[in-house]
Amino acid sequence: DAGVIQSPRHEVTEMGQEVTLRCKPISGHDYLFWYRQTMMRGLELLIYFNNNVPIDDSGMPEDRFSAKMPNASFSTLKIQPSEPRDSAVYFCASSWDSSEKLFFGSGTQLSVL
Amino acid sequence: KQEVTQIPAALSVPEGENLVLNCSFTDSAIYNLQWFRQDPGKGLTSLLLIQSSQREQTSGRLNASLDKSSGRSTLYIAASQPGDSATYLCAVYGNNRLAFGKGNQVVVIP
Repeated sequence: DAGVIQSPRHEVTEMGQEVTLRCKPISGHDYLFWYRQTMMRGLELLIYFNNNVPIDDSGMPEDRFSAKMPNASFSTLKIQPSEPRDSAVYFCASSWDSSEKLFFGSGTQLSVL
Repeated sequence: KQEVTQIPAALSVPEGENLVLNCSFTDSAIYNLQWFRQDPGKGLTSLLLIQSSQREQTSGRLNASLDKSSGRSTLYIAASQPGDSATYLCAVYGNNRLAFGKGNQVVVIP
C-alpha cells in the first residue's frame, strides 16, 4: 500500500478563494482524520470519520470549513472563503480503529495571502 | 481536557549519546500512548504504541515507558545517530480523542 496520499502538497491562494484539500486513506482503514498543524497551536484535530460518517467535527474552526467522505477511499476538506489565518499544514491520517496506530499523509502546506 | 506537555521544546546531543525525551499528561485515564517522529516537511510516523496496561514497549534502539498513575512517559533512544534528528511527538488516547504534545525537536550532532 502506498500509504495515506494527500494532494496538493503545496497550495498558495489569495484571501477569499476556495481551497480544496484531498486525501486517500489506506485501504481497509475505517477511520479518517483531518488535522491542522501550526507552530503556535501544534496539532489540532479538525474532524474524523468512521466508515465514511463524520463522528466528531467539534474541532472545525467555523462554518468556512467543511469536510466530506463520499466513499471509503476519498475525503476532502474545503475552506470557503479562505483567510490568511488558515495558513498551516493540513494532515490527513487513517487507522483501523480510533485507538490504534495512526498513519499520516505527507500533508498539504497551505498559504493564504 | 487532556493536556500533553513535552519539555524542552528543542535539544541537541552529540552523536553516540543516549537520548531521553519526556512527555507528561494531565488526565491519567488514558487508553494508550503513542510516540511519533516527524521529519521536516513530512507527516508523522508512529514509532511505538503503549497500551495503558503496559509499562514499556521496545523497538530496536527505541524504548518507551509509561507510568500512567503519575502521567508520564519517556522515550529512550540508545546510541543516538545523526539520522535520529527529527521532532518527536507524544500523543495520548482517551475519551475517544487523541491529544498531542507539541514535540521535542532533536538535533544529533556528528
